[in-house]
Parts: sequence; structure tokens; C-alpha cells
Amino acid sequence: DQQVKQNSPSLSVQEGRISILNCDYTNSMFDYFLWYKKYPAEGPTFLISISSIKDKNEDGRFTVFLNKSAKHLSLHIVPSQPGDSAVYFCAARAEGDSSYKLIFGSGTRLLVRP
Amino acid sequence: NAGVTQTPKFRILKIGQSMTLQCTQDMNHNYMYWYRQDPGMGLKLIYYSVGAGITDKGEVPNGYNVSRSTTEDFPLRLELAAPSQTSVYFCASGAVSEQYFGPGTRLTVT
Repeated sequence: DQQVKQNSPSLSVQEGRISILNCDYTNSMFDYFLWYKKYPAEGPTFLISISSIKDKNEDGRFTVFLNKSAKHLSLHIVPSQPGDSAVYFCAARAEGDSSYKLIFGSGTRLLVRP
Repeated sequence: NAGVTQTPKFRILKIGQSMTLQCTQDMNHNYMYWYRQDPGMGLKLIYYSVGAGITDKGEVPNGYNVSRSTTEDFPLRLELAAPSQTSVYFCASGAVSEQYFGPGTRLTVT
């Protein structure tokens, strides 16, 4: 039972254009969402997060949007750069007793073409 | 500034062998975590610890054991390796909202 789903395994975008990575979730108890970026042979690194009380969070070229009614979040990267080529994981945290745990999606591999 | 370090980077085990994956962090974090990542899948939490002497199970704890005798170290033990434990293992530390990951250990069980 996948509670966090990233339905697009890969995405290819031209340098300078917008990259949009999507994530859907099923558990309405999730109260905090994160995006991690992973390069080959390295561990994931934290990118950006959003609380369920917000619908948008921005950090430089990265913006995360949350649509709670649709149980959907997206990561926008503008403008995309070749160095952004990596696997991006969406993750969610449930409130309450499970607040120490993150549930990860399966990842989307982004390729930014020069 | 090492962050989270993991050893070994790679290991091949025979079925039934045991081994310990080492994890050390130098950021004085109370929270530490072990994840596994199978091909094409997201990370799944194996065990976590909220401080020295305190550990708890995650989503996929079967076949693993952990201990936390110090703030810095959080080793993961595989007692009887099985092919299903072939995976990449990541250790992490920090608040759940911003975890710092080690580089991973690639384990193959044949």
C-alpha cells in the first residue's frame, strides 16, 4: 500500500525551462511534506519542505505547492539547470505517534538537457 | 565536518552470514535512522532511535537489529543474511523534518 506516490519515474526538460515534479498521497494524517534530491552514489539531501497549513513554499529556484483537497503536491524548478539532474524523492510525515517517521515516494529521475 | 559516515561502502554476503553496518554522526543529533532503498523504490524505514539507549521499529524491521549506546553511533546488524536483504542502506540523523543522510552501503546477498 503506497501512501506516497510519484507516478512519473522520469522527466526530461530543456535547460532554462520549468521542471514540474508531482507527488500524490493517500493519508490525510500527513502534516508535513519534504522533497529530497539524490545524486548517484550519494545519500539524499534535503531540498525544501512545506507544512500542511500552507499551500506554497519558495526557496530560490525551488517552489513546492500543496493541494490538500487533491492530496497532491508538486515541486517546480525554475529555471532548470543541468546540475539539477538527479532523482527527486517526495516524503511525508504523519502527525501524532508516527511523527518520527517519513514515508517516501519511489522517486522521479530528472534530466535537464543543456 | 564529516556529517554522517557509513562503512563499508560495498559488501557481498553469502546467505546465512551476518554483518554489521556502521553509522556515525558528528552533529550531536539525538535522532538517527536506518533506511533501505530497493531498485525503483523509495526509502523504507528499518529502525530509528530518538536518543542513546532508545530504539524503535520502522516499517521493515524484520531480519535486522540495532543498538544505540552513544549519541554518535547507530550500527545496524544483519544476523542471517537473505537475498531479500540485497539493497542500498542509508543511515540518517537529525530532526525528522530535516534529516542528513550518509552516502549509503550497497549490500548484495547471494
